[in-house]
Amino acid sequence: EAGVAQSPRYKIIEKRQSVAFWCNPISGHATLYWYQQILGQGPKLLIQFQNNGVVDDSQLPKDRFSAERLKGVDSTLKIQPAKLEDSAVYLCASRGGGNIQYFGAGTRLSVL
Amino acid sequence: QKEVEQNSGPLSVPEGAIASLNCTYSDRGSQSFFWYRQYSGKSPELIMFIYSNGDKEDGRFTAQLNKASQYVSLLIRDSQPSDSATYLCAFDTGTASKLTFGTGTRLQVTL
Repeated sequence: EAGVAQSPRYKIIEKRQSVAFWCNPISGHATLYWYQQILGQGPKLLIQFQNNGVVDDSQLPKDRFSAERLKGVDSTLKIQPAKLEDSAVYLCASRGGGNIQYFGAGTRLSVL
Repeated sequence: QKEVEQNSGPLSVPEGAIASLNCTYSDRGSQSFFWYRQYSGKSPELIMFIYSNGDKEDGRFTAQLNKASQYVSLLIRDSQPSDSATYLCAFDTGTASKLTFGTGTRLQVTL
């Protein structure tokens, strides 16, 4: 069974630029999560999708972050414009019928 | 008060010893508890989960849950250098299967 796929693995941008991350969950997993993990901290949930609907986006900075999950499969997370404090690893996770979340390899973002 | 408290470490144990990792949580509605292992530069990987009070064993790993004390721990027996990683505690209130993570405890197993 293929795992959660994310791309790119690394991204370096300058502040005020925009960036997008892509995630393809495990086949058949209806729930998809985006987390932000700042160095030295645990992952923090940004947004949760159930199929193509948003379940929770209470911690998503909506003035600069957006996410979509068209057709209930893969998802993109966008930051526009980026700030220095957005430097982090962005993790995508998916969950099937149980309550186990499986994480992708993440995208490491550096904002200069 | 933080929702999940973990000692950031590093916790250093000699090879072959028992490593004890602890986590406290504030939300009494928490139903499920998870331990993830994260190697440096890698993504979190599930080690164990526990729902009920008491102990749950899986190989060298034992998770212990005490809901009255709002405390969950992970014991690693016969610690190996390959166990050196950050261990993240997380809980799920069950309403939307949303995980809240602690900051993690860094474990170092020395030769």
